[in-house]
Amino acid sequence: GAVVSQHPSWVICKSGTSVKIECRSLDFQATTMFWYRQFPKQSLMLMATSNEGSKATYEQGVEKDKFLINHASLTLSTLTVTSAHPEDSSFYICSAHSGSATYEQYFGPGTRLTVT
Amino acid sequence: GDSVTQMEGPVTLSEEAFLTINCTYTATGYPSLFWYVQYPGEGLQLLLKATKADDKGSNKGFEATYRKETTSFHLEKGSVQVSDSAVYFCALSDRNSGNTPLVFGKGTRLSVIA
Repeated sequence: GAVVSQHPSWVICKSGTSVKIECRSLDFQATTMFWYRQFPKQSLMLMATSNEGSKATYEQGVEKDKFLINHASLTLSTLTVTSAHPEDSSFYICSAHSGSATYEQYFGPGTRLTVT
Repeated sequence: GDSVTQMEGPVTLSEEAFLTINCTYTATGYPSLFWYVQYPGEGLQLLLKATKADDKGSNKGFEATYRKETTSFHLEKGSVQVSDSAVYFCALSDRNSGNTPLVFGKGTRLSVIA
């Protein structure tokens, strides 16, 4: 089946630094990728939708200047958390859609970010 | 907006017990409904889906029926195994297209003990 990877799987950074999280579709081309954030014991909350070659569409309340999303190729999307603060600590999950007529999205394993 | 409500966990069952995880939804249109499963350390995997009223999705012994009249999509399994221990997410999308982001419930952690 289709595989989506995320890197790193976990990261600890100091407050004020930036962190980049990669999401890759390993065996298919992803025209659309979604970035979700998951708090402990909470739902996955959609942060943004990124389409290859165009600007990401952010959900209401998500700071686009803080969470920079780039989808420069059909197999790679990146999420950069800029000037991270402890409240940005969370579990970030990406999913990818191949652009086919089917409904299925393929999820990455997630990245746990801890900001100290 | 659209939303999904599923029962709070954790749920702990003995092996071979019957499982029900309740899920109800609110949507303005006619959504497609999904159950995803997340095993420890892995990504979310699609478990089953239903795209219209009265559809029954099934996979690996799990079943869920799309009930429009009660806006529900409860997950059931007749006899759980230790290997079913995971977090289960109910989700919906407004259109039957993978290009649409999913709306998730909070997830229900299931632990099955031998």
